[in-house]
Amino acid sequence: DIVMTQSPTSMSISVGDRVTMNCKASQNVGSNVDWYQQKTGQSPKLLIYKASNRYTGVPDRFTGSGSGTDFTFTISNMQAEDPAIYYCLQHKSYPMYTFGAGTKLELK
Amino acid sequence: QVTLKESGPGILQPSQTLSLTCTFSGFSLSTYGMGVGWIRQPSGKGLEWLANIWWDDDKYYNPSLKNRLTISKDTSNNQAFLKITNVDTADTATYYCARIGELGDFDYWGQGVMVTVSS
Repeated sequence: DIVMTQSPTSMSISVGDRVTMNCKASQNVGSNVDWYQQKTGQSPKLLIYKASNRYTGVPDRFTGSGSGTDFTFTISNMQAEDPAIYYCLQHKSYPMYTFGAGTKLELK
Repeated sequence: QVTLKESGPGILQPSQTLSLTCTFSGFSLSTYGMGVGWIRQPSGKGLEWLANIWWDDDKYYNPSLKNRLTISKDTSNNQAFLKITNVDTADTATYYCARIGELGDFDYWGQGVMVTVSS
């Protein structure tokens, strides 16, 4: 089974700062990685699909990159509405899907 | 407009069978490429993928739970279902259904339904 290891576990960031978090796959998953945002009390929302494609309506401060085993999610300019838990998801080992454990992003 | 909504029993006892329903609109599970997945989340913990079902009735399960899961669909009524047999307290969670987009992502999610397993 493919394991998705997310880092860091949590981050405390100031408004306006740049945020970078990572997801490492235990095997090559190509570009079959998505990123989801889950705010407290809400369902997850798709932000990035296929590693680097911004989903419809997602602000351009959110970007994703990577392929193979190493993936990065970046918020270029942290906003007050961005605190959430961010999850990566691989679906290369189709039809098996695997979520990362999440990165909790808080405002400093 | 795509919407999904989960429904379930709320509370059930250990060893019982959990039956969940996902009622959706804005797409059809008879359309080529469409799929619905189930994901759960224990309180304060991360997301766990459970199962997917596709327009052609292909079904895929999380291997760690496969023997206990059954996913199915009712295309005419725009519903998908998940059954989990022999539940225990570790199955207490919020259960989500989500549409599977063209590229395999979960592009639309329901609001989730809380399920508690308790004696």
